Amino acid sequence: NAGVMQNPRHLVRRRGQEARLRCSPMKGHSHVYWYRQLPEEGLKFMVYLQKENIIDESGMPKERFSAEFPKEGPSILRIQQVVRGDSAAYFCASFGTDGYSPLHFGNGTRLTVT
Amino acid sequence: KQEVTQIPAALSVPEGENLVLNCSFTDSAIYNLQWFRQDPGKGLTSLLLIQSSQREQTSGRLNASLDKSSGRSTLYIAASQPGDSATYLCAVRQTGNQFYFGTGTSLTVIP
Repeated sequence: NAGVMQNPRHLVRRRGQEARLRCSPMKGHSHVYWYRQLPEEGLKFMVYLQKENIIDESGMPKERFSAEFPKEGPSILRIQQVVRGDSAAYFCASFGTDGYSPLHFGNGTRLTVT
Repeated sequence: KQEVTQIPAALSVPEGENLVLNCSFTDSAIYNLQWFRQDPGKGLTSLLLIQSSQREQTSGRLNASLDKSSGRSTLYIAASQPGDSATYLCAVRQTGNQFYFGTGTSLTVIP
């Protein structure tokens, strides 16, 4: 049973380009979370999605950032017109509909904006 | 709003020692509490999950306890090893599937 898969592991973008980060949750999981982590800092919640729905995007910047979790395929975190301050590790986590299910994390995508 | 605190922020111990990491939370209305470890440059690995109705969970040398009424959890690591060196985070789950994370305790086990 594969875990949470994120790709790419490393992504380099120049300022102004777009970054697309992908997350495939664990099999059977329909809840996905995206977090951002800066070096030496804690996890910062960005967005919580279920299939085809954004449940909570209170942690996501209003501009340039968007997320989706379509009926088919992975969840996508999209950052338009990246700036140097977007450089961080972005983690995806998933859990199932079972209320006792633990949260599982992927290994993250490390975005570097040059 | 829920606040999760982990003290100490960093801990250094000699190999073989038993140690305790602390996690406290302000709102006791939680579904469960989960402990994770994070190695440098990696994601979070789930260690133990304690449901709100449980008092403790054990996995190998790890034992996690939960006192929901006082808003505290501890992670006990027995006979520490250099491979235990990592950052340990706790997270509580609340209604609406909201998760709140502590900022972690960075553990170094000295050979």
